[in-house]
Amino acid sequence: DTEVTQTPKHLVMGMTNKKSLKCEQHMGHRAMYWYKQKAKKPPELMFVYSYEKLSINESVPSRFSPECPNSSLLNLHLHALQPEDSALYLCASSPQPATNEKLFFGSGTQLSVL
Amino acid sequence: SQQGEEDPQALSIQEGENATMNCSYKTSINNLQWYRQNSGRGLVHLILIRSNEREKHSGRLRVTLDTSKKSSSLLITASRAADTASYFCATQPTGTASKLTFGTGTRLQVTL
Repeated sequence: DTEVTQTPKHLVMGMTNKKSLKCEQHMGHRAMYWYKQKAKKPPELMFVYSYEKLSINESVPSRFSPECPNSSLLNLHLHALQPEDSALYLCASSPQPATNEKLFFGSGTQLSVL
Repeated sequence: SQQGEEDPQALSIQEGENATMNCSYKTSINNLQWYRQNSGRGLVHLILIRSNEREKHSGRLRVTLDTSKKSSSLLITASRAADTASYFCATQPTGTASKLTFGTGTRLQVTL
């Protein structure tokens, strides 16, 4: 299995809602990532988990809360988002955190905040 | 913050022609990677070139790296309509393990 699976594919939420994005991989990768991508822009790194521990937080607002329950799962909890948070949220994994030599991406969750 | 800038921003060619995209970056790197993204989808890794390599090939792809100029190029030969996508370079700056930063991207359109 060489896939990174993200659910849901699309999400519409209000500014007072609480929702979660989910990401799963069964490749035995020990690094997992959240990226945010606005339309026609490059992906921007949000968080990195190395061996299930948060290793990088790119100064992301606290309304985004990542969680890595185990080596296969990565969640992104969303609360009190703003319309400008609407974007494609991409999860990725890689075999080794230190080398970072090839990221496997999921298809993303297209998030709309109303 | 983005590390790389790509040129051109958009490229339109006919099937069978070659496509060349360039990437410039700012700091010393461990490696440089190229990814492809179809519209609204995830990114797919194409090729990686290490800082001590100058050229690499994979199928119809040829990548060059000039660390003295902090630049790289991706050549796609004999392009096909299915190559239509956005292409991003990504760099891992030296001393920043796990931090892969993407360039601005080139949107390639291949017409029949």
